[in-house]
Amino acid sequence: GQQLNQSPQSMFIQEGEDVSMNCTSSSIFNTWLWYKQEPGEGPVLLIALYKAGELTSNGRLTAQFGITRKDSFLNISASIPSDVGIYFCAGRRSGNTPLVFGKGTRLSVIA
Amino acid sequence: NAGVMQNPRHLVRRRGQEARLRCSPMKGHSHVYWYRQLPEEGLKFMVYLQKENIIDESGMPKERFSAEFPKEGPSILRIQQVVRGDSAAYFCASSPVEGIEGYTFGSGTRLTVV
Repeated sequence: GQQLNQSPQSMFIQEGEDVSMNCTSSSIFNTWLWYKQEPGEGPVLLIALYKAGELTSNGRLTAQFGITRKDSFLNISASIPSDVGIYFCAGRRSGNTPLVFGKGTRLSVIA
Repeated sequence: NAGVMQNPRHLVRRRGQEARLRCSPMKGHSHVYWYRQLPEEGLKFMVYLQKENIIDESGMPKERFSAEFPKEGPSILRIQQVVRGDSAAYFCASSPVEGIEGYTFGSGTRLTVV
């Protein structure tokens, strides 16, 4: 089925650094979302984007819905150890169709 | 805590046995989604249900897998005659009636087939 291309696959960064990850698709999506998953838990919604060009922040997290509606990025500023986890992008093509997920970006923060 | 509740958290089954995974959606949510996650992989959609109806089962394997969301009680994902390849984390999510918001996920059931 439809899969989103998420990059990078993994990142090792120093505490305090900024992080950027992105997600692309060959199809247009009407909704983009970013989730974080910690070990042994389910994904938790971080940011939801509903309009092309939209830029939304949630604390140190900022995400954008690409103008072409085929991509999205997530930035984390001034990373801290608790940012460690797997970040997933997800998209919905229309209406109430199920979310499609990327394969995730595994973030490690070195103190 | 009115989150999405999944049980059991861990399930071990021998090859050939049946696995039943349960999911109670958040209060007020009538849409339920099941996803499967293999190690080092993202979440793959399996099935989308509303009360007493399967809306989209395009991600469900054609054999051995079934899902239901009865009028009363939790949603059930059933895997018959499990095989080693069924070992994975199975996540349930729910969303409100309008369904335009992001899903709320449960903590998952980790199925191990031995």
